[in-house]
Amino acid sequence: GENVEQHPSTLSVQEGDSAVIKCTYSDSASNYFPWYKQELGKRPQLIIDIRSNVGEKKDQRIAVTLNKTAKHFSLHITETQPEDSAVYFCAASIGGNTPLVFGKGTRLSVIA
Amino acid sequence: SAVISQKPSRDICQRGTSLTIQCQVDSQVTMMFWYRQQPGQSLTLIATANQGSEATYESGFVIDKFPISRPNLTFSTLTVSNMSPEDSSIYLCSVGAGSGEAFFGQGTRLTVV
Repeated sequence: GENVEQHPSTLSVQEGDSAVIKCTYSDSASNYFPWYKQELGKRPQLIIDIRSNVGEKKDQRIAVTLNKTAKHFSLHITETQPEDSAVYFCAASIGGNTPLVFGKGTRLSVIA
Repeated sequence: SAVISQKPSRDICQRGTSLTIQCQVDSQVTMMFWYRQQPGQSLTLIATANQGSEATYESGFVIDKFPISRPNLTFSTLTVSNMSPEDSSIYLCSVGAGSGEAFFGQGTRLTVV
């Protein structure tokens, strides 16, 4: 089955700097790659996603890139703010009504 | 999108007892998914619940420990049976949008003492 690796496990950046989180996946059939943000005590919230027919997607300060050949995708957060501090999870699925397989998460701390 | 109401939001239970978690979805969905999130860890799929059939469990999870019901297309329950402190986790139900996107319930924070 699918295996998703996520790095780094923790990341500290200064406010205003950029943060990059990387994930790799194993199943070439996977075609849907979401990123979730989870704040303490809350459910995961989808922040951005990308499908296999797209190489890059951007939404304001957040962007995701996908390299299907290398089976990796990355989350980029620019101009980080303290409220970006949270745990971020990448995930992969083959789409449709199939479950997501999650990476182990990255705890991002933005230092003011 | 789908709105999922999950309850209870939290509970503290004695070891050896069972807890049933309920999820109600505001629309009909084919599949519902149950995840476990152990403290400081990622989300791990417990099982997939289809209406009208037995749930499909992932490796490491068994029906006797985590029985699931799916009586209709908008509702599901997960029971955590014969609990031990190792079962202390957040349990989340989830549904898919058909496009791959997943929606989550608020989660149930379970503490077993």
